[in-house]
Amino acid sequence: QKEVEQDPGPLSVPEGAIVSLNCTYSNSAFQYFMWYRQYSRKGPELLMYTYSSGNKEDGRFTAQVDKSSKYISLFIRDSQPSDSATYLCAMSGASYDKVIFGPGTSLSVIP
Amino acid sequence: GAGVSQSPSNKVTEKGKDVELRCDPISGHTALYWYRQSLGQGLEFLIYFQGNSAPDKSGLPSDRFSAERTGGSVSTLTIQRTQQEDSAVYLCASSPYYEQYFGPGTRLTVT
Repeated sequence: QKEVEQDPGPLSVPEGAIVSLNCTYSNSAFQYFMWYRQYSRKGPELLMYTYSSGNKEDGRFTAQVDKSSKYISLFIRDSQPSDSATYLCAMSGASYDKVIFGPGTSLSVIP
Repeated sequence: GAGVSQSPSNKVTEKGKDVELRCDPISGHTALYWYRQSLGQGLEFLIYFQGNSAPDKSGLPSDRFSAERTGGSVSTLTIQRTQQEDSAVYLCASSPYYEQYFGPGTRLTVT
């Protein structure tokens, strides 16, 4: 079992839809959680990061962490074609621990 | 401010040659990571530097790969006797705490 799992997709949604992207993990020591967006032929770009459980909102993006279920989510409201990219979750156990990435989910938002 | 920079942006080399890839992290970031990404694939962890600690080299695929970080800043990834399977994008990221900031990558092509 991989430490961090993510459905690779591809996920295709119409413009304006609410998108839910998810990751599960096996290491209960993880407490720092991040989401990255990667456009084709570009480096990953940090979207959001959170510590421990709960929700964090930033514009159209909401990150949610459920440590009891070892499950994190990224919600995108009012999705736009410009949101089409690969989304990677990442996590670590302590602030200076090595960060573990999920394999990424490919998202296409269709106009 | 300045982000993570990598050079060269593209490198074409002949099989069997050595190559050096450079990463300039964000000033003050204590951690530095190298990843490899093949076309359409996820991030493959290579090596992790954290402050003055011994680097985590657990992801280096063979002894042809090595990396160093001088003065806690600039890092160089060296691949000796390159093989065609080394062709990929090599990404560097630096981190002040746990969130990572990526460079644009070096696209390596081994012919």
